[in-house]
Amino acid sequence: GAVVSQHPSRVICKSGTSVKIECRSLDFQATTMFWYRQFPKKSLMLMATSNEGSKATYEQGVEKDKFLINHASLTLSTLTVTSAHPEDSSFYICSARDDGVQFFGPGTRLTVL
Amino acid sequence: DAKTTQPPSMDCAEGRAANLPCNHSTISGNEYVYWYRQIHSQGPQYIIHGLKNNETNEMASLIITEDRKSSTLILPHATLRDTAVYYCTHNSGGSNYKLTFGKGTLLTVNP
Repeated sequence: GAVVSQHPSRVICKSGTSVKIECRSLDFQATTMFWYRQFPKKSLMLMATSNEGSKATYEQGVEKDKFLINHASLTLSTLTVTSAHPEDSSFYICSARDDGVQFFGPGTRLTVL
Repeated sequence: DAKTTQPPSMDCAEGRAANLPCNHSTISGNEYVYWYRQIHSQGPQYIIHGLKNNETNEMASLIITEDRKSSTLILPHATLRDTAVYYCTHNSGGSNYKLTFGKGTLLTVNP
């Protein structure tokens, strides 16, 4: 299947700083990518839909000013967690659709101290 | 959003078939059933999907009931590496579709 990568795989930052996570589709182009968050022992929760060349669509309850999404090209979407706080510590996963199937990245473990 | 019901956990002996059920009674006529699995601390892995016919690939088989309100994922010869949380979901697969996930089934394959 198609390959989606994420960088970094894990990041530790201080409270109040911003963290950028990259999501790339390696062997296909994706006009739409998705960002999920997963807390320990919980299921994946969709945060937002990232659209190439236009604004992202956020799910209810997700702060768009805190979780900035940029989808500048057909193979790259970025999620920036601004002014991160300990409660933002989570596993962030992106996905992209190829030929009707959504493929997921390996995830980014964010720890905010 | 997709609403599915799966048993929270199942056990299977190594080498035996694992049959994982999913109830998706609210599925619409044009929606596909998708199955994914997630091994601890990794992103979900696509397994298989189908509309109404049974499907098989190198990983698994998917059996969808005639009324499409439920399906079963079959791992024909489970190995220890198949221990994971298995999720079923459904979506129309359109250009901007999004997938939502329930709690899934934790399949434990025992030696």
